[in-house]
Amino acid sequence: QVQLQESGPGLVKPSETLSLTCTVSGGSVSSGSYYWSWIRQSPGKGLEYIGYIFYSGSINYNPSLKGRVTISRDTSKNQFSLKLSFVTAADTAVYYCAKISRDTSGPFNPFDIWGQGTMVTVSS
Amino acid sequence: DIVMIQSPDSLAVSLGERATIDCKSSQSVLNSSNNKSYLAWYQQEPGQAPKLLIYWASTRESGVPDRFSGSGSGTDFTLTISSLQAEDVAVYYCQQFYTTPYTFGQGTNLEIK
Repeated sequence: QVQLQESGPGLVKPSETLSLTCTVSGGSVSSGSYYWSWIRQSPGKGLEYIGYIFYSGSINYNPSLKGRVTISRDTSKNQFSLKLSFVTAADTAVYYCAKISRDTSGPFNPFDIWGQGTMVTVSS
Repeated sequence: DIVMIQSPDSLAVSLGERATIDCKSSQSVLNSSNNKSYLAWYQQEPGQAPKLLIYWASTRESGVPDRFSGSGSGTDFTLTISSLQAEDVAVYYCQQFYTTPYTFGQGTNLEIK
């Protein structure tokens, strides 16, 4: 059973870069069977899809984040990461990593496994 | 982006009674090539991450009690809990995975009456 665990700073200053890591156990970020995703949840905007990365390096981002987001992976540590630049208070949220299982529909499948989430506050 | 609207925003149901939550998408999420609607339902208990309950609009995830059922196709969907249990108190979300960016409904807060 795949398990996911987010980690990273809980407090980030405005205009700086938010950096989070998701550690994967029970599965591999190098597997062609999964898409590795980030989702956030804030009181104002509810659940918001951020993006995903595939083992091939293929990446999809939500256009709403306007080029501020980067998702990458580290196969040696079996982790994938999120960077969100030029943060503002609107980026304050609980950030989740999640898995999409790939089938004939490709990435068009639900988020079947979620991490527990990590709260990130943007404040000076 | 596909907009997902749930109704109601909150719902109070007596134990053992039926709970029904609706979800409407701004455009069809039905793939005509496989006749599947790309719609999922999640349950989020207080302080927890969302948990997948139902996908393809009506397929229960492994381990989900059969009192949970999903129905609908195209743009209109329903989550039904046939006999509400105390442990079902949670916020429920629908989500379309038909196209990126994937989008979620605003959530329905289910309580015990």
